[in-house]
Amino acid sequence: AQKVTQAQTEISVVEKEDVTLDCVYETRDTTYYLFWYKQPPSGELVFLIRRNSFDEQNEISGRYSWNFQKSTSSFNFTITASQVVDSAVYFCALSEAIPDKLIFGTGTRLQVFP
Amino acid sequence: DTEVTQTPKHLVMGMTNKKSLKCEQHMGHRAMYWYKQKAKKPPELMFVYSYEKLSINESVPSRFSPECPNSSLLNLHLHALQPEDSALYLCASSQVGSEETQYFGPGTRLLVL
Repeated sequence: AQKVTQAQTEISVVEKEDVTLDCVYETRDTTYYLFWYKQPPSGELVFLIRRNSFDEQNEISGRYSWNFQKSTSSFNFTITASQVVDSAVYFCALSEAIPDKLIFGTGTRLQVFP
Repeated sequence: DTEVTQTPKHLVMGMTNKKSLKCEQHMGHRAMYWYKQKAKKPPELMFVYSYEKLSINESVPSRFSPECPNSSLLNLHLHALQPEDSALYLCASSQVGSEETQYFGPGTRLLVL
């Protein structure tokens, strides 16, 4: 069965600190897709990244970076030099061919204090 | 343009009212979704439409009735709701396929009195 675990319920940091959000997934499929979404207090889920199971290359986008490791079934997200605007709930999600739907983790609430 | 719009932003309704939530996208996506999100919880899938046909119904009570009039529009008709139905209702769209990214709207915050 598919499952996504985000063990960190809430993280608090001070601005300019680096922070890593953990995501561990379970799946029996060899083909699957992983996503990260950001949900600020306004409520809209904002898409950040998609990774397919055949692409283990890490990715960097500005202050954001993602570390995908199939050996440990993890897809962790690091924010470098955090800012107050990064405060939000971050969801990791998994998608497989069947069923065709997103499985969300429980989310990690990140608070960045000035 | 990756915009999904939802109206209204906020809705307060009594348990005997009938109301509708609306969702629109102009990205040419052929899959559309309704999610329900309670506070401090992840979104829960309610319905999926693919090519304007209902493909997934996650055992949602019949007081929620989805409708997909065309490929750009998705409605959720509400009738005789309960206070526990109060939540953030999110619409999303994507191309069809598990590899496709879902893009979400800003949601409708529903309060049932």
